[in-house]
Amino acid sequence: QSVLTQPPSVSAAPGQKVTISCSGSSSNIGNNYVSWYQQLPGTAPKLLIYENNKRPSGIPDRFSGSKSGTSATLGITGLQTGDEADYYCGTWDSSLSANWVFGGGTKLTVL
Amino acid sequence: QVQLVQSGAEVKKPGASVKVSCKASGYTFTGYYMHWVRQAPGQGLEWMGWINPNSGGTNYAQKFQGRVTMTRDTSISTAYMELSRLRSDDTAVYYCARAVVVTAINNWFDPWGQGTLVTVSS
Repeated sequence: QSVLTQPPSVSAAPGQKVTISCSGSSSNIGNNYVSWYQQLPGTAPKLLIYENNKRPSGIPDRFSGSKSGTSATLGITGLQTGDEADYYCGTWDSSLSANWVFGGGTKLTVL
Repeated sequence: QVQLVQSGAEVKKPGASVKVSCKASGYTFTGYYMHWVRQAPGQGLEWMGWINPNSGGTNYAQKFQGRVTMTRDTSISTAYMELSRLRSDDTAVYYCARAVVVTAINNWFDPWGQGTLVTVSS
């Protein structure tokens, strides 16, 4: 059971838009910055979004991030078949045992 | 370019130990914390802990305390993660990831190593 809750899967057609939610609490998302990672099949995770809503160079503006209260959201527009991957949110959890925590991951299928 | 290159796959018997290396290049090794994350087959990401390559200080996830040891060799810009008393459920891909730290509440992982598959089987 992950500290951060993500839907196990989402799907949409090419060209469409999808959002992936990441729900936490005041000890993690509520008071810390969120980052998002894309893991293409058989590869290592790659940074997609940092500081809640910033994109590293090379990440297209089809990808966006937002945060409100204790939840964060990843948005992907203009879906492409190459976007099929697992997506993970992550942040610090500032509870007694200060740990980095990840969501359980969301499998995106582009139909 | 910034790059993390990990050691190759390992097969270990239950009860043994494994030591995975992560060689950094393209940046000042001592300027960034290094984290370790693992992923069991078909499962999500699980954070294991970090090492401060400058001081050698470490912080381990409670789940792994007593079994994991993270070290570094600054002369060759390499971080290590050793896991002892291996069990079958330690079978996973182990990743190192450089942490970009702006403040205590603002950091992220970039880049990640390519991963090292550790298989624990009798």
